[in-house]
Amino acid sequence: LAKTTQPISMDSYEGQEVNITCSHNNIATNDYITWYQQFPSQGPRFIIQGYKTKVTNEVASLFIPADRKSSTLSLPRVSLSDTAVYYCLVGDFSNAGNMLTFGGGTRLMVKP
Amino acid sequence: DADVTQTPRNRITKTGKRIMLECSQTKGHDRMYWYRQDPGLGLRLIYYSFDVKDINKGEISDGYSVSRQAQAKFSLSLESAIPNQTALYFCATSWGGLNTGELFFGEGSRLTVL
Repeated sequence: LAKTTQPISMDSYEGQEVNITCSHNNIATNDYITWYQQFPSQGPRFIIQGYKTKVTNEVASLFIPADRKSSTLSLPRVSLSDTAVYYCLVGDFSNAGNMLTFGGGTRLMVKP
Repeated sequence: DADVTQTPRNRITKTGKRIMLECSQTKGHDRMYWYRQDPGLGLRLIYYSFDVKDINKGEISDGYSVSRQAQAKFSLSLESAIPNQTALYFCATSWGGLNTGELFFGEGSRLTVL
């Protein structure tokens, strides 16, 4: 499982766009990048997954540069309800053994 | 009703007691997982199962055992609970297949060992 590095915490204000970057310098050819959101005392919730370039869904966008050594989760116009911990996972998820840990994640605090 | 159901949601027990946490799912997924989360930390994988006859240890399996009774049921047991097993436990499921990184989590079981 590729080692990932993300900021421990971030603050933002309602209505702003939030970008959370994850570094994964040793990403392997078959690895995908997946982001989860977790609210206190709840299980993580899948947000988005990508392999390269850009992926967008109704919740977020994921930007992956050509070298794939980092990725950026973009949350448009955040609200207070987006306050949560965001986890970046990188791996070949066809092998569940690669899902060893979610790491510490990034704690996003959205302020009014 | 939740697609992934965990019971009990909360449990307080004493050191040395045997505890079973149960997980059932209605999603029809082949893969099931048990994770543990300690306060302020990420999730760590305890055990996972690709199908009924498949059981695999995760990162922190010592002190735990599991049983995959059916495709839809995956139980986690603590044979002799100890205080440092106090944590929030999550069951999750996923489809099999290539690079499917989407896990579906239950609501969690909060276990306190005194």
